[in-house]
Amino acid sequence: DVKVTQSSRYLVKRTGEKVFLECVQDMDHENMFWYRQDPGLGLRLIYFSYDVKMKEKGDIPEGYSVSREKKERFSLILESASTNQTSMYLCASSPEKPWEQYFGPGTRLTVT
Amino acid sequence: AQKITQTQPGMFVQEKEAVTLDCTYDTSDPSYGLFWYKQPSSGEMIFLIYQGSYDQQNATEGRYSLNFQKARKSANLVISASQLRDSAMYFCAMRTAGTASKLTFGTGTRLQVTL
Repeated sequence: DVKVTQSSRYLVKRTGEKVFLECVQDMDHENMFWYRQDPGLGLRLIYFSYDVKMKEKGDIPEGYSVSREKKERFSLILESASTNQTSMYLCASSPEKPWEQYFGPGTRLTVT
Repeated sequence: AQKITQTQPGMFVQEKEAVTLDCTYDTSDPSYGLFWYKQPSSGEMIFLIYQGSYDQQNATEGRYSLNFQKARKSANLVISASQLRDSAMYFCAMRTAGTASKLTFGTGTRLQVTL
């Protein structure tokens, strides 16, 4: 079975802190994704990566950056956390085909 | 631009009944795929079913079936014989050929199965 793990289920940070969210997948997938999920808005894509060191902006990249130094690991970075970044963050990975995405358990981040 | 619309924020269904969750989509790309995911209260997204735009038959996976009406641009999820454990959020999503396997998600429908 594909396994996608995220470093924390719950995280509380202060405004202005630098925050790292880690995601690891064990199926050698090329593609990895970071989403945020907010009530009434569904899942919105922040960034994705289709190869090591390759990244592309999604729909809401402002305030975030990413890093993919190894194929299995995709990190989301909040350079200076703000209260409007309080949300559920979901990581996913997928092979090139058939494109089904496998999700991690999510990290609920609260910025105070 | 791709768009997914789920117009039902919440639905109730009695145990053992069938329920249909609506999903309409908008794309100008002739090649696309449609997905349904389930998100129980634990938070993890679970893949349920996939339909390709060129698939001739509607997809089925156990109690889940996808009612694909291409001309209407709809991809409704049908759950037969609902069970209490089906209570969850359900998301419809779409991938188009030119988007490097990115998915566009709808806003979701919360399904509550009652006794």
